[in-house]
Amino acid sequence: NAGVMQNPRHLVRRRGQEARLRCSPMKGHSHVYWYRQLPEEGLKFMVYLQKENIIDESGMPKERFSAEFPKEGPSILRIQQVVRGDSAAYFCASSPQGGRTEAFFGQGTRLTVV
Amino acid sequence: GQSLEQPSEVTAVEGAIVQINCTYQTSGFYGLSWYQQHDGGAPTFLSYNALDGLEETGRFSSFLSRSDSYGYLLLQELQMKDSASYFCAAFTGGGNKLTFGTGTQLKVEL
Repeated sequence: NAGVMQNPRHLVRRRGQEARLRCSPMKGHSHVYWYRQLPEEGLKFMVYLQKENIIDESGMPKERFSAEFPKEGPSILRIQQVVRGDSAAYFCASSPQGGRTEAFFGQGTRLTVV
Repeated sequence: GQSLEQPSEVTAVEGAIVQINCTYQTSGFYGLSWYQQHDGGAPTFLSYNALDGLEETGRFSSFLSRSDSYGYLLLQELQMKDSASYFCAAFTGGGNKLTFGTGTQLKVEL
C-alpha cells in the first residue's frame, strides 16, 4: 500500500508563472489536507477537501490559490502568478473517511520562486 | 480562532526524559495528536489522545487533560535520532480539520 505521493518533489518557477502541485492520497483515503511550511516554522493549514468537495479553505489566500480533489485522479494545489513569498514546502496529508486519529503525510513539494 | 502553543526549543541529554507541552484554544475539540518531523521531511504520526489520561507507545507517551486544555508528549531514554521537531495537532471544527501547533525543536546532546 503506497503512502501519500506528492509530485514534483522540487519545483522552480519564475515570478508570474503557475505552479501545480499534485497529491495522491493513500488508497482508500478520501480526505486530503494541504499545508504550507516556511523554514523553521510550523505547518500552516491551507485547505481540507473530500472527493469533489472543498470542506474548509479558511487557510487559503483569497487570490491566486486554488485546490481541487476530483472524483478521479490526484488532488491539485494550484498557485497562479507566483511571487517570491510563495516559496515554501507544501505538504499534503490524507486520512481515512471519518478518521479522526491519524493523518499520513507525503514528502512535500519544495517550491522555489526565482 | 484555533491556537496550539508549544515551547520553541527543548534541549536534553541522551538517555534522559523530556516533556514537550502543548496548550490549546480551539472550538469543537476532538482530540490531540503528536507528530515528529526530521529536517523538513514528512511529518510522521506518533500518538493520539481522544480521552483524558496517558497513552503509552514504547518510549513515547502522550497525556491529555481536556479540563486544562493541555497535553504533553513524554520521550524516555532519549536517543540522538530523537532530535527533530515535534508538533501537537488537534482535530477541530467538526472533527476533520487538523490544526498544528507552533512546534518544538528538540535537540538531544551527548
